[in-house]
Amino acid sequence: KAGVTQTPRYLIKTRGQQVTLSCSPISGHRSVSWYQQTPGQGLQFLFEYFSETQRNKGNFPGRFSGRQFSNSRSEMNVSTLELGDSALYLCASSSGQNTNYGYTFGSGTRLTVV
Amino acid sequence: AQSVTQLDSQVPVFEEAPVELRCNYSSSVSVYLFWYVQYPNQGLQLLLKYLSGSTLVKSINGFEAEFNKSQTSFHLRKPSVHISDTAEYFCAVSISGNTGKLIFGQGTTLQVKP
Repeated sequence: KAGVTQTPRYLIKTRGQQVTLSCSPISGHRSVSWYQQTPGQGLQFLFEYFSETQRNKGNFPGRFSGRQFSNSRSEMNVSTLELGDSALYLCASSSGQNTNYGYTFGSGTRLTVV
Repeated sequence: AQSVTQLDSQVPVFEEAPVELRCNYSSSVSVYLFWYVQYPNQGLQLLLKYLSGSTLVKSINGFEAEFNKSQTSFHLRKPSVHISDTAEYFCAVSISGNTGKLIFGQGTTLQVKP
């Protein structure tokens, strides 16, 4: 069974641009969460989607947005990129409605903003 | 609000020695507890989790963790480490019944030396 797939693996963008990252969850999983990982702030929760609805949101500015499609694939978008947005962005999927089912993470997209 | 503290940022240890990675959490409500491992340039892999029941939980590769409610701790232990255990380890909590949001500690780098 395929794992969580994130594309692209690496991305270099210029300050002020926007970027879209993609996440394909494990087949049958309906919950997708996104995290930002940086050396300074560690792993921080961005948002979570279940059946195309955002159920939970972290403390990030409105430049960070996401969505989930009917096939459970998810995208996150960052507009007006800042240097501080350089990070590893991780997507995680779960089969259940609660975190007790456990989350499976993808390998991440490493975004570098120059 | 919930928070997680991993008391050691780096733990160096010789191969075949025992190791303990410490994790304390703060929460006014019931939580689920997790340990994840991250190898270089990869995503997070679930090592083990505590949801309810027996306070001692074990992974398939020899790690174990004990939930201590009175001390609000969930320390990770292994009686004999291997070089291949070298990685970063993250402790995480989620609110029981909540959706999608994991709160992570800052991580502990386990360095196993030959």
